[in-house]
Formats: sequence, structure tokens, C-alpha cells
Amino acid sequence: GAGVSQSPRYKVAKRGQDVALRCDPISGHVSLFWYQQALGQGPEFLTYFQNEAQLDKSGLPSDRFFAERPEGSVSTLKIQRTQQEDSAVYLCASSLWGFRDRGLNTEAFFGQGTRLTVV
Amino acid sequence: KQEVTQIPAALSVPEGENLVLNCSFTDSAIYNLQWFRQDPGKGLTSLLLIQSSQREQTSGRLNASLDKSSGRSTLYIAASQPGDSATYLCAGPGATNKLIFGTGTLLAVQP
Repeated sequence: GAGVSQSPRYKVAKRGQDVALRCDPISGHVSLFWYQQALGQGPEFLTYFQNEAQLDKSGLPSDRFFAERPEGSVSTLKIQRTQQEDSAVYLCASSLWGFRDRGLNTEAFFGQGTRLTVV
Repeated sequence: KQEVTQIPAALSVPEGENLVLNCSFTDSAIYNLQWFRQDPGKGLTSLLLIQSSQREQTSGRLNASLDKSSGRSTLYIAASQPGDSATYLCAGPGATNKLIFGTGTLLAVQP
């Protein structure tokens, strides 16, 4: 597609419910990132994939959060047993290469995000 | 560990003014720095990417500079317009290949 696509745009979940958020990156982009953005804050890193390999998951806040990218394209962020503190906007980004790949085009492109509200 | 700071946190200017947004980072061994714009309820729109071999990039009324030695980047907006009102974020690379973001500058351009 022309850009990064995320679905759903909005999700309301009851506390304790499991949710799955989808990200379709730009075709051919090797790197994929998930971020969490609380109201009035900058995006906070959650996890990073290079193709299908999850190279960094240091930002995942708890073991209730799980991300996968099985075929190196579409990625899913799953949150189990949602809590109110999980309410945030979840942003996905892709780039042709990683941000530390010197000399290569590493511009990151973001989707519109999924706003998750846990009630 | 990379930390990114943006000053000011908020800025209000009258239409037509030139303005500068500041971004500082702690890890000077960065390879590039990217500026984004975020409108309320929207995702991030990439404005400019400055590669480490470059010192500045220009796009229309926007000019971004990068000074690795001082750990600073600035975004210059010329002849500001009400449509420029948004939150502006800068981001630099942290460990592995992730982007580390500042908390942003909320810009309001008054008509």
C-alpha cells in the first residue's frame, strides 16, 4: 500500500478482555516498530522487528503484551487481560532499514494509530 | 542510553513569525535524526530526516539542522501559518534500531 495502515482505528475493551491490533507496513520495509503514546506524551518504544525477527522487546510493559510478525510483513500486537492503564494510542511505524543502519535510507513512516480505551 | 529533550514544551506565535524549535539528545553517536508533526488524534507525519553526513535539510518553509558535537537539532519554520499548528516531535536512534522521541513542542499559530 501507499502508507502504513493500522486497524482498528478505535477499540473499546472491557477490563480483562484480550485485544489484537494490526499493522500493515509499507511493502518491502524491513523494519517495523510498535509504540505506545499516552495523552500529552511522546511515543514510547514497545518493540522492534527486522523482517520476522523480533530484535528488541525491551519496551513491552508486561508479559500481557505480545507482538508477532510471522512472515516479515503484517504485524499484530496482542494485549491480554487488558487493564485501564493500557488505554493509549498504539502507533506502528516501518522503515526500509533500521535507524542505526548508517548510510541507508532510514526514514520512518507511521500509521494513524489505534486508540485503545479500556473501560 | 539515548535521551531526547525538546524545548519549549509549548509555543504560541502570531501568524507570519519565524520560529525555532529545539531538540537535544545525549548520545552524539547518532546516525540520523527525524522530525515529525502530529495533529490532534492523528498519527505522525514525517517532515525531515537528517542523515549523519548532512548538517541540514530543507523542505519548503521548514529547515532542520543537526549538530552532533553539541547534541542538538533545530527545526526552523519560516513565515508561520495557522495550518502549522500541531505538535512537533524529534526522534533519534537508541540502542538497536529503535527511535527515541522527545515529548514534543505544541505549536499554536494565531491568525
